Amino acid sequence: EAGVTQFPSHSVIEKGQTVTLRCDPISGHDNLYWYRRVMGKEIKFLLHFVKESKQDESGMPNNRFLAERTGGTYSTLKVQPAELEDSGVYFCASSHNKLGGLNTGELFFGEGSRLTVL
Amino acid sequence: RKEVEQDPGPFNVPEGATVAFNCTYSNSASQSFFWYRQDCRKEPKLLMSVYSSGNEDGRFTAQLNRASQYISLLIRDSKLSDSATYLCVVSSADSWGKLQFGAGTQVVVTP
Repeated sequence: EAGVTQFPSHSVIEKGQTVTLRCDPISGHDNLYWYRRVMGKEIKFLLHFVKESKQDESGMPNNRFLAERTGGTYSTLKVQPAELEDSGVYFCASSHNKLGGLNTGELFFGEGSRLTVL
Repeated sequence: RKEVEQDPGPFNVPEGATVAFNCTYSNSASQSFFWYRQDCRKEPKLLMSVYSSGNEDGRFTAQLNRASQYISLLIRDSKLSDSATYLCVVSSADSWGKLQFGAGTQVVVTP
């Protein structure tokens, strides 16, 4: 079974440009998450989709970030315009629905998209 | 104050030895607790969930102390392949999809 795949693995852009990151979750996973790790910091939550709906976008840093999940399958995260502080690794993760009301906690992460803004 | 605090290490451990480390969390409403493992430049992977009664998975033992709001991980009989960064992860009851990560504890197992 294919895992979570992300594209591109590494992107280098200049300040002010636009970048779009893509995530393909594990097939059948309704939950899709975006997280990011900036240099020297911990991994931080950005947002959570359940199918095509945004369940929680409280971690999105500002309106330069736009996430979509049309059709409830793959997701894109667009940064426009990119700033220097946006550099980091953007992880996508997916999971099954909650089972029996319990959070199993197992998010399956992709290998991340490393973004470098110059 | 960070939501989840961890000693960054590194913990240098001889092969075969035992290593233990903790993390503390600030939100007393947190309900679910996990240890994830992350190898260099790879994605985090779930190592184990942490239950109130404590739980064991092979050479790994996790403990939760709700009163003091800390979680521990103990690795027995360390293997070279245990070298990694161990991430303490916490989620809240009302926001189960939103995980709070610690910055990680680096463990280096040496021959």
